[in-house]
Amino acid sequence: DQQVKQNSPSLSVQEGRISILNCDYTNSMFDYFLWYKKYPAEGPTFLISISSIKDKNEDGRFTVFLNKSAKHLSLHIVPSQPGDSAVYFCAAWQTGTASKLTFGTGTRLQVTL
Amino acid sequence: EAQVTQNPRYLITVTGKKLTVTCSQNMNHEYMSWYRQDPGLGLRQIYYSMNVEVTDKGDVPEGYKVSRKEKRNFPLILESPSPNQTSLYFCASSLSNQGLRRETQYFGPGTRLLVL
Repeated sequence: DQQVKQNSPSLSVQEGRISILNCDYTNSMFDYFLWYKKYPAEGPTFLISISSIKDKNEDGRFTVFLNKSAKHLSLHIVPSQPGDSAVYFCAAWQTGTASKLTFGTGTRLQVTL
Repeated sequence: EAQVTQNPRYLITVTGKKLTVTCSQNMNHEYMSWYRQDPGLGLRQIYYSMNVEVTDKGDVPEGYKVSRKEKRNFPLILESPSPNQTSLYFCASSLSNQGLRRETQYFGPGTRLLVL
């Protein structure tokens, strides 16, 4: 039962354009969401997060949007750069559990020149 | 340098031969966790530890053991590995999981395991 889903396994975007990565979740008890970025042969690194009490969080070129009613979040990267090429994982913490971070399946982003 | 280290990075073994993957962090983090990454399944939590001597099962604990005797170390033990445990394993740590703002987790570089 995949509670956090990233339905696009891959995405290709031209340099300078916007990249939009999507994530859907089914568990209404999730209350904090994160995006991690992973390069080959490295562990995931934290990128940006958002609490369920907000609908938007920005950090430089990265913005995360949360639509609680649709149980959907998205990561926008503007402008996209070749160094952004990586696998992006959406993840969620559940209210009342201090222990479990549930990850999505990942989206591979390729930023082309 | 603040980091999470894992050893070995690559391991090929045979079915039934006990192995241990070590994980160490130098950030004085309370919380540590193990994940496995498989194609099409993302990262799934195997075990976690809230603090020394406190461990609990994640989503996919079958076939694995852990121990947390010291704060900095959290080894993953496969008593009798099987081919379905062939995977990419990540150890992670965070300062704590208390409060409204969940602390972000810091991941090790990964251990690629092949069980023949």
